Amino acid sequence: GDSVTQMEGPVTLSEEAFLTINCTYTATGYPSLFWYVQYPGEGLQLLLKATKADDKGSNKGFEATYRKETTSFHLEKGSVQVSDSAVYFCALYSGGSNYKLTFGKGTLLTVNP
Amino acid sequence: EADIYQTPRYLVIGTGKKITLECSQTMGHDKMYWYQQDPGMELHLIHYSYGVNSTEKGDLSSESTVSRIRTEHFPLTLESARPSHTSQYLCASSAGLPHQPQHFGDGTRLSIL
Repeated sequence: GDSVTQMEGPVTLSEEAFLTINCTYTATGYPSLFWYVQYPGEGLQLLLKATKADDKGSNKGFEATYRKETTSFHLEKGSVQVSDSAVYFCALYSGGSNYKLTFGKGTLLTVNP
Repeated sequence: EADIYQTPRYLVIGTGKKITLECSQTMGHDKMYWYQQDPGMELHLIHYSYGVNSTEKGDLSSESTVSRIRTEHFPLTLESARPSHTSQYLCASSAGLPHQPQHFGDGTRLSIL
C-alpha cells in the first residue's frame, strides 16, 4: 500500500537558518504530492503541491520538487522565521474514487529568535 | 481561506455523555473526512463520505458514527463518551477532483473526564 516517511522531529532552528524536511514515499502509479502546515491550535492548511515528476511546488518561500527517481518530495526554505514554527505534514494521493490522502507522521519545527 | 467550520472548538465533558461534533462546509464539496489526531501529531482517518447518504469507515477503528444527510454537513457522534476518546478531531472536505487538496477545519479538542 501507499506510505509516506518523513523526517522525525522535533527540528529546532534559529531565525534565518536553512530548513530541509525530508519526505520519501511509496505509491503505485504517479501520485500527487502535498505539503500541509498546522499552526498551533489550528487545522491543516495546504502549503504547496506537485502533481507530476519534476514539478516544483512553492509558496511563502517554501519549495519542494517532485523527484520520481528518488521517490522524494523534500521541503526547503532558505531563511526561516519564528512565524514558521508549526507542524509540517507530507502527503500523497495515488488515485481511487474516495480521494483519501496518505499522510506522514508530521514534523514539528520550532524557530527561535 | 477554506470555508469549513467545526464546533465546538473545545469540549470538556464527563464519561457516559452523548456527544456530537459538528462539521459544515460551504464549498459544495462531495467528499468529506474525519481524522483523529493523537498527541504525537499523527493523523488517523476514522470516517469518510463520498456524498449524501454515503459513509465509510476509515483506516483506524473508531466507536464514533457519522451521518451525511446534507452535502454541507457531516456530524460525528459518540453515543457514550469515555476517557479513551480524548483527542483532537479534524474534519476535512475536497472537491473530489484529481490533484485537488483537502481543506481542513480548525478542529475540536475533546477531553473526557
